[in-house]
Amino acid sequence: DIQMTQSPSSLSASVGDRVTITCHTSHNVNRYLNWYQKKPGKAPKLLMYTAYTLESGVPSRFSGSGSGTFFSLTITSLQPDDFATYYCQQSFRTPHTFGQGTNLEI
Amino acid sequence: DVQLVESGGTVVQPGGSLRLSCAASGFIFSSFGMNWVRQAPGRGLEWLSYISSTNVTIKYADSVKGRFTVSRDNALNSLYLQMDSLRDEDTAIYYCARYSLEYNGYGRDDHWGQGTLVIVS
Repeated sequence: DIQMTQSPSSLSASVGDRVTITCHTSHNVNRYLNWYQKKPGKAPKLLMYTAYTLESGVPSRFSGSGSGTFFSLTITSLQPDDFATYYCQQSFRTPHTFGQGTNLEI
Repeated sequence: DVQLVESGGTVVQPGGSLRLSCAASGFIFSSFGMNWVRQAPGRGLEWLSYISSTNVTIKYADSVKGRFTVSRDNALNSLYLQMDSLRDEDTAIYYCARYSLEYNGYGRDDHWGQGTLVIVS
């Protein structure tokens, strides 16, 4: 199985800050890398796919980069609605493993 | 609008069985692969299984292989997860998700249901 390592596990930030979350994969996944946002009691929400393609309706303050084994998700100018847990996921091969999550707190 | 609605979650004893359903609407269900993903209390997301649009390809996580069976009925726009030999560690919220594929093979779960809670106790 492809192992996913997200960093950091938790992050404290303020409204207006810029934050970056990283995701390292144990195997080259090319750009088969997705990012999701998860809030308690809500369904996961797709933010980014193919490493840097913004899902329709997702604000442009979210951006992604990377390929191969190292990826990042950046949120510029944090908004109150952005405080949530973020997960990376590889869809290169099954099982489509997720990272352990990054809890972004105010 | 795309809608996915899971049902069937309940409290079940260890060793018991349960069948989850996912009702799809707002898109051509028979054209999309589907995934099941779960989240145990206080834990992260865990991918469980994939079924292709025409049932040709089915995959499972090792944690559920041999115990869970995914299936679909394209005529009823429905996805199912048969869960047997349930264990305490299967307690989780179970989500179904639509798997969208690009022409070049890149895929992602672009729509999710709200989840259904399974408690094994």
